[in-house]
Amino acid sequence: GDSVTQMEGPVTLSEEAFLTINCTYTATGYPSLFWYVQYPGEGLQLLLKATKADDKGSNKGFEATYRKETTSFHLEKGSVQVSDSAVYFCALSATSGSRLTFGEGTQLTVNP
Amino acid sequence: GAGVSQSPRYKVAKRGQDVALRCDPISGHVSLFWYQQALGQGPEFLTYFQNEAQLDKSGLPSDRFFAERPEGSVSTLKIQRTQQEDSAVYLCASSSRGQRTQYFGPGTRLLVL
Repeated sequence: GDSVTQMEGPVTLSEEAFLTINCTYTATGYPSLFWYVQYPGEGLQLLLKATKADDKGSNKGFEATYRKETTSFHLEKGSVQVSDSAVYFCALSATSGSRLTFGEGTQLTVNP
Repeated sequence: GAGVSQSPRYKVAKRGQDVALRCDPISGHVSLFWYQQALGQGPEFLTYFQNEAQLDKSGLPSDRFFAERPEGSVSTLKIQRTQQEDSAVYLCASSSRGQRTQYFGPGTRLLVL
């Protein structure tokens, strides 16, 4: 079945540091890939997405590129801020109308 | 509002009680999903509706869990005879026809004592 594997956390960085959170997936066909962010006590917010190979999703300084050859969708940000502290989830959807399959989540803490 | 709404936001139940969780999706979204998120874990799929039809309920953990969406808009997730292992955040998400992107509500945090 479909699965998503994220790098183990938690991740602690200083403000303005570079961020990478690794995500790899296993799926048949051509899934869409997503990064969601969850702030304490809140639901999931869509951060970015990519729907086909070599697509780059970007939002709020975050980027991720859909790499089919390595089945990866790593999240990056060049300079993190304290306000980026949250849990980040990588997810995939195999088809329209199908469930999202999530990774375990990565807790990010950014210190001033 | 324009987003997905859920109520209640918090629910404390005694073991054995029945609970009902409500989800109001984004207007016009035909697809509605329920997920269960245990503490420190990623969300796990429970069930899926397209309009009023429940097309996939393979994620429901037991026959104590029941979901409905009778008019193709608001959905209710019902848990009968709650157990401590049912304690989790229950997330609802919706998406528009033909789209894979799902938009989530704030969740209902259920604590069973």
